[in-house]
Amino acid sequence: SYVVTQPPSMSVAPGETATITCGGNNIGSRGVHWYQQKPGQAPVMVIFYDSDRPSGIPERFSGSNSGNMATLTISRVEAGDEADYYCQVWDSSSLVIFGGGTKLTVL
Amino acid sequence: EVQLVESGGGLVKPGGSLRLSCAASGFTFSNAWMNWVRQAPGKGLEWVGRIKSKSDGEATDYAAAVKGRFSISRDDPQDTLYLQMNSLKAEDTAVYYCAKGYSSGLDYWGQGTLVTVSS
Repeated sequence: SYVVTQPPSMSVAPGETATITCGGNNIGSRGVHWYQQKPGQAPVMVIFYDSDRPSGIPERFSGSNSGNMATLTISRVEAGDEADYYCQVWDSSSLVIFGGGTKLTVL
Repeated sequence: EVQLVESGGGLVKPGGSLRLSCAASGFTFSNAWMNWVRQAPGKGLEWVGRIKSKSDGEATDYAAAVKGRFSISRDDPQDTLYLQMNSLKAEDTAVYYCAKGYSSGLDYWGQGTLVTVSS
């Protein structure tokens, strides 16, 4: 079955840019969705279909997807962006597949 | 405003059964493909299964870990989604979320309900 891989953690200083990766075989041919989950809360979709933002999501959040890597980029990181981030793809055999999640720490 | 409210979680013994509900509002529930996703304590998200809309035959799909033990159904007049869980195991302990499908993604999530399987 298809596997997507994320780094378990990363840290960034306020005001800097966070780049969270999601790797998979030819993932660029699939639509990738991203979710933010803050402690004790439900996940929230922040990017759908590689690079589209749902209404209400700040423009600081952007995404891209090409080759074997999809990327979620958070510009001008704020303390409130500290959360777990999950990528998700759809696969014809396993249907909905989540990455293992990346814990973003704002220093 | 879209709202999804899960209920029915609790403590159950291994081998037992539990039925979760998810009350939906703020969108046309009957047109939506609905999903269940779970999260074990301190772990990542795990998709459980999905039910398509009535117009798409109410077809269901399940993750391998729950296939044959869990069953998803829906009551469109009541705008409610269900997850029937049988033969529960300790590894089914998790917060269970219902989530509205948006093409291949999940655009709205409930707050979750905790299921604990323990003797």
